[in-house]
Amino acid sequence: GEDVEQSLFLSVREGDSSVINCTYTDSSSTYLYWYKQEPGAGLQLLTYIFSNMDMKQDQRLTVLLNKKDKHLSLRIADTQTGDSAIYFCAESANSGYALNFGKGTSLLVTP
Amino acid sequence: DAGITQSPRHKVTETGTPVTLRCHQTENHRYMYWYRQDPGHGLRLIHYSYGVKDTDKGEVSDGYSVSRSKTEDFLLTLESATSSQTSVYFCAISDGRKETQYFGPGTRLLVL
Repeated sequence: GEDVEQSLFLSVREGDSSVINCTYTDSSSTYLYWYKQEPGAGLQLLTYIFSNMDMKQDQRLTVLLNKKDKHLSLRIADTQTGDSAIYFCAESANSGYALNFGKGTSLLVTP
Repeated sequence: DAGITQSPRHKVTETGTPVTLRCHQTENHRYMYWYRQDPGHGLRLIHYSYGVKDTDKGEVSDGYSVSRSKTEDFLLTLESATSSQTSVYFCAISDGRKETQYFGPGTRLLVL
C-alpha cells in the first residue's frame, strides 16, 4: 500500500508542547487520523481531520494538515506524563474503508 | 468506549495447530477488520468485512481466513499456525460513514 511515515521516537519535558509529524504518499486520502496506544492496550482514536481542512483543534490537541506537502502533524499542548504512549498516524485507503497506518511514534514525557 | 470485545485475550499454541480468534461488537456496525501489530511494522490489515458473509483480503492475508455469519461476530482463523504469526491481533469496527475505526483490546498470540 501507500506509505505513511513517522519518526519513531520523541522525548519532551512535562509542560512543554509535543509535535509529532507524519507524511503520507496517497494523494487521494480522504481522512487522516491520530490514534494513541498505551502499553498493553488497544488503539484509542484521538482525532481525525478531513482532507479539505487544514487545521482542527480539540482541547490540548491541534492537528495541522498540509495537503500540498502531504504532511500531517499533531501538537499536544502542556504535555503530561499521562500522554506518554505510542501515537499512530493513519490515512484512509481508496477502497474498503481500511486504514493505512504509520509505524508509530513513541512519546516519552519526562518530569 | 465502543462495545468491542476480543477473545481470547492471550493464547499460546503450537506450530501447525488451527487457532480461531473472535471479535464481538454490540454497536451494530457494518464494517469489521482484523489487523496484526508487529514491532517495526505498525498495524497491517489482514482481512475485513463489509457485511454479513461479505469479506475481502487485506495486505497480509496469507495463512488466515475469516468468517462473518452475524453482524456482531467476526472470526479470524489461522489454518495452521506458524511462528511468524506470533503477534498482537486487533479487531476494529466502523459504521462506514466517517471511516472512523474503533479498536478492540487486542489478542496476544504466541506460536511456539
